[in-house]
Amino acid sequence: ETGVTQTPRHLVMGMTNKKSLKCEQHLGHNAMYWYKQSAKKPLELMFVYNFKEQTENNSVPSRFSPECPNSSHLFLHLHTLQPEDSALYLCASSQDSSLGANVLTFGAGSRLTVL
Amino acid sequence: GQNIDQPTEMTATEGAIVQINCTYQTSGFNGLFWYQQHAGEAPTFLSYNVLDGLEEKGRFSSFLSRSKGYSYLLLKELQMKDSASYLCAVRDRDYKLSFGAGTTVTVRA
Repeated sequence: ETGVTQTPRHLVMGMTNKKSLKCEQHLGHNAMYWYKQSAKKPLELMFVYNFKEQTENNSVPSRFSPECPNSSHLFLHLHTLQPEDSALYLCASSQDSSLGANVLTFGAGSRLTVL
Repeated sequence: GQNIDQPTEMTATEGAIVQINCTYQTSGFNGLFWYQQHAGEAPTFLSYNVLDGLEEKGRFSSFLSRSKGYSYLLLKELQMKDSASYLCAVRDRDYKLSFGAGTTVTVRA
């Protein structure tokens, strides 16, 4: 496989459930990102990992918990979510988040619905 | 915070030209990106501008004026497959990337 792969593509969960989103990149990149995309709104950066170290947490509620075990894998653990958390969650990777010409490669996203 | 503005929607005819404007106000500047996102798919990189001027890539061109905080994406010889959302994104002095809400372009036959 090539590029950035996200699973599951669709997820429906109740507010008391615990679930995880998975992202895997096969590009040899060193930086990985989680973005939230809601309809008609700008992409919101959630977390950044560069060389497995978390370099950014954009004031994300603690019900979202990221995990980056290595440079190729990124998880987003979900717990006690709210209906307003329903959105498309995009994973991205890049060579190095500190570079100026830092082109992101995105996955197709995980569509999350919280009931 | 960062402020990036682009039109919400644009419609054009197949074969025509469409220009998508993006204005920004950020704390410092380290580059401007354009991404294309088809419905239900991943955003894909189109162009990067860090110096003033025009960058041309086939049917797509991107222009930047740093003094005006302004960029545009020009799509020429429009094709039906160009119907998509186009995202403007700006990197600030801290290398943080902020996105606009996207412009949905509809190409009609």
